[in-house]
Amino acid sequence: GAVVSQHPSRVICKSGTSVKIECRSLDFQATTMFWYRQFPKKSLMLMATSNEGSKATYEQGVEKDKFLINHASLTLSTLTVTSAHPEDSSFYICSARAVSADTGELFFGEGSRLTVL
Amino acid sequence: GQNIDQPTEMTATEGAIVQINCTYQTSGFNGLFWYQQHAGEAPTFLSYNVLDGLEEKGRFSSFLSRSKGYSYLLLKELQMKDSASYLCAAMDSNYQLIWGAGTKLIIKP
Repeated sequence: GAVVSQHPSRVICKSGTSVKIECRSLDFQATTMFWYRQFPKKSLMLMATSNEGSKATYEQGVEKDKFLINHASLTLSTLTVTSAHPEDSSFYICSARAVSADTGELFFGEGSRLTVL
Repeated sequence: GQNIDQPTEMTATEGAIVQINCTYQTSGFNGLFWYQQHAGEAPTFLSYNVLDGLEEKGRFSSFLSRSKGYSYLLLKELQMKDSASYLCAAMDSNYQLIWGAGTKLIIKP
């Protein structure tokens, strides 16, 4: 199956710093990538939909100036958590849909666990 | 509104069969997904149903009834490694996934 690589898998940062998480589709082109956040013992929460070459569409309640999303190419989307605070500590997951996909199947990255001290 | 309901937790015995139910309400419908998630890891795709009926894939099967807004995931010959959370997700008319909170499956020897 298609592979989505997410990096870094774990990151610890100080409060006030910014952290960038990369999501790459390794063997397919992805016009659409999704960014999710998962709180402990909760389901995935869609943060934003990232379309190649255009601005991301953010879900209600998600601060677009805090969670910067850039989808610069058909194989790479990045999420930057700016001025991170301890409440931003969470598991962040990206997923991608192939350009040619007709089933709508999503392929997930491995996830990035962010800890803000 | 859009909503997904599935049990919070289930317990089953190794070697047995377990059925995890899911009901959904979405604006439009473009398919029902089941994902498996082990603690601390990203979800992995298990199945996709868009037509009514049963889809079998090895030890796992998934069923869909669009008229009832209902799906189930059937796991046979349970193994200890099947202990995980199982997420049901429905895709709406905008191709967005509406996620359930997940069912934690505990397998006992």
